[in-house]
Amino acid sequence: ETGVTQTPRHLVMGMTNKKSLKCEQHLGHNAMYWYKQSAKKPLELMFVYNFKEQTENNSVPSRFSPECPNSSHLFLHLHTLQPEDSALYLCASSQSTGTYGYTFGSGTRLTVV
Amino acid sequence: KNQVEQSPQSLIILEGKNCTLQCNYTVSPFSNLRWYKQDTGRGPVSLTIMTFSENTKSNGRYTATLDADTKQSSLHITASQLSDSASYICVVTPNTGNQFYFGTGTSLTVIP
Repeated sequence: ETGVTQTPRHLVMGMTNKKSLKCEQHLGHNAMYWYKQSAKKPLELMFVYNFKEQTENNSVPSRFSPECPNSSHLFLHLHTLQPEDSALYLCASSQSTGTYGYTFGSGTRLTVV
Repeated sequence: KNQVEQSPQSLIILEGKNCTLQCNYTVSPFSNLRWYKQDTGRGPVSLTIMTFSENTKSNGRYTATLDADTKQSSLHITASQLSDSASYICVVTPNTGNQFYFGTGTSLTVIP
């Protein structure tokens, strides 16, 4: 375990469903991130939260809705997704500046059918 | 434009052999460079982190080098094991902001 826990590990959902991904860290980090990893592509930054405040939204469609109730928890709410949204969704955390490196969770493998 | 390029895209080697993975970047100003190992279906795990002033850093059988002048880094794996089969990702952090720049990774397969 890296200290960043993601649930569920696998998720299959229909295009009309609503689901949520959860990320939890107990490393004392202040910044949390959502990344999307599609096959044969670099990791794509989706959202950044610093001290619970969203500091970056990398032009992500509104069908992805993040929530950060505190510095230890991060959610990604999903609704009316498309099959091309199928990917590995990774959560990461770091100290607020990010210069000391960050820790990834194991990811949620999402399949949209 | 800030970019990170890795080569080769994929590599197959025999167990016990050595290999070297390359990372070239254009990110500037530069803060640090990290190599991550990502097993299939898992999140990346940090192997090494190098700052501007460091030329080499080792972590067991993994040795990373950095040439900040030419903006190149390499990851050398010695005496490869089957468990080394994974994707290896180079990540470069600039001096400013919370942005990180990821390479596309090298997929390494170690065969018996």
